[in-house]
Amino acid sequence: QSVLTQPPSVSGAPGQRVTISCTGSSSNIGAGYDVHWYQQLPGTAPRLVIYGNTNRPSGVPDRFSGSKSGTSASLAITGLQAENEADYYCQSYDSALSGKVFGGGTKLTVL
Amino acid sequence: QVQLQESGPGLVQPSETLSLTCSVSGGSITSYFWSWIRQPPGKGLEWIGFIYYSGSTNYNPSLKRRVSISVDTSKNQFSLKLSSVTPADTAVYYCARDKYYDSTGYYDYWGQGTLVTVSS
Repeated sequence: QSVLTQPPSVSGAPGQRVTISCTGSSSNIGAGYDVHWYQQLPGTAPRLVIYGNTNRPSGVPDRFSGSKSGTSASLAITGLQAENEADYYCQSYDSALSGKVFGGGTKLTVL
Repeated sequence: QVQLQESGPGLVQPSETLSLTCSVSGGSITSYFWSWIRQPPGKGLEWIGFIYYSGSTNYNPSLKRRVSISVDTSKNQFSLKLSSVTPADTAVYYCARDKYYDSTGYYDYWGQGTLVTVSS
């Protein structure tokens, strides 16, 4: 059971917009700790796509965006492409656990 | 371009110590934090711990009793030791650069990962 809760799967057709939620609590996201997002293609290492809730690293398309409100955060992908099919993980810090925590991951399927 | 590469045995006996090294190239290990993260087959990511180039460390409380991370700045490497392993420690182990701040921080560079299997 992950401290940060993500839906196990989401799907969308090419060109559509999808969002992936990351729900936490008052000891992590709700306490003001930043949320970061990673994309993991099959058989590869995770890749940072959003840091500090809303910032995109160099080289990440602006079709990826992040937001945070209260005890939750979201990753949005617009103009969905087949290459976006991957697992996505959110990450933050939890003061009750005194450590960094990840969400359980969400598998994005492009229909 | 910073690159990280994990190395170490792919098979470890139960109750033994898992030892891995991460070699950093394309940049200096100094002035940054460096982390170990693992992923059991078919499961999610778990933070193991991090080390600053000066040697200060912070570990996942659930693993703290068994984990040790060290750094060798002369070789631009950092290492992980996990003692008393069981099959539950079977995972792909990643090393990553940790842009640490305000107790959190994100991982901007990752190694390719190495699978370590705990089995007799």
